[in-house]
Amino acid sequence: EAGVVQSPRYKIIEKKQPVAFWCNPISGHNTLYWYLQNLGQGPELLIRYENEEAVDDSQLPKDRFSAERLKGVDSTLKIQPAELGDSAVYLCASSLRDREYEQYFGPGTRLTVT
Amino acid sequence: AQSVTQLDSQVPVFEEAPVELRCNYSSSVSVYLFWYVQYPNQGLQLLLKYLSGSTLVESINGFEAEFNKSQTSFHLRKPSVHISDTAEYFCAVSVGGTSYGKLTFGQGTILTVHP
Repeated sequence: EAGVVQSPRYKIIEKKQPVAFWCNPISGHNTLYWYLQNLGQGPELLIRYENEEAVDDSQLPKDRFSAERLKGVDSTLKIQPAELGDSAVYLCASSLRDREYEQYFGPGTRLTVT
Repeated sequence: AQSVTQLDSQVPVFEEAPVELRCNYSSSVSVYLFWYVQYPNQGLQLLLKYLSGSTLVESINGFEAEFNKSQTSFHLRKPSVHISDTAEYFCAVSVGGTSYGKLTFGQGTILTVHP
């Protein structure tokens, strides 16, 4: 069974530039999550989707971050414009809807903003 | 709101020695507790969970954790570690209900097992 796929694995951009991250969850997983992980910290939830609906986006900085999950499968997280403080690892995870505590994480995208 | 504190950022230990990774949580309501592990160059994966019932839970690779409500702790233990246990371990909490899937993670503990 294929795991959660994320791309790119690494991204370096200059501040004020846009950037997008892509996630393909495990087949059959209704729930998809985007997390932010700063160096030396645990993951922090940005947004949670059930199918194509964002059910919890309270931690997403909506002035510069946006996300979508068209057709309830793949998802894209975008930052526009990026700031130096956005340098971090962006993790995508997925789960079955009735086992949301058991989340399967992708390898993450390491973003460096210069 | 709930929070999780992992008391040690790094734990070095020799192979076959016992280890304990400490985790304390704060919450005003009942919680579900988890340990996730991240092996080098891999994504986080669920190691073990406490949802209800017995307060002592075990993983398939010899780790165990005990839910202690009075001390608000969920420490992870293994009586004899292997080199392959080298990884970063994250304690996490969920409060259930509509927030069932909303995990709050601790800062992580890097376990390094030396030969």
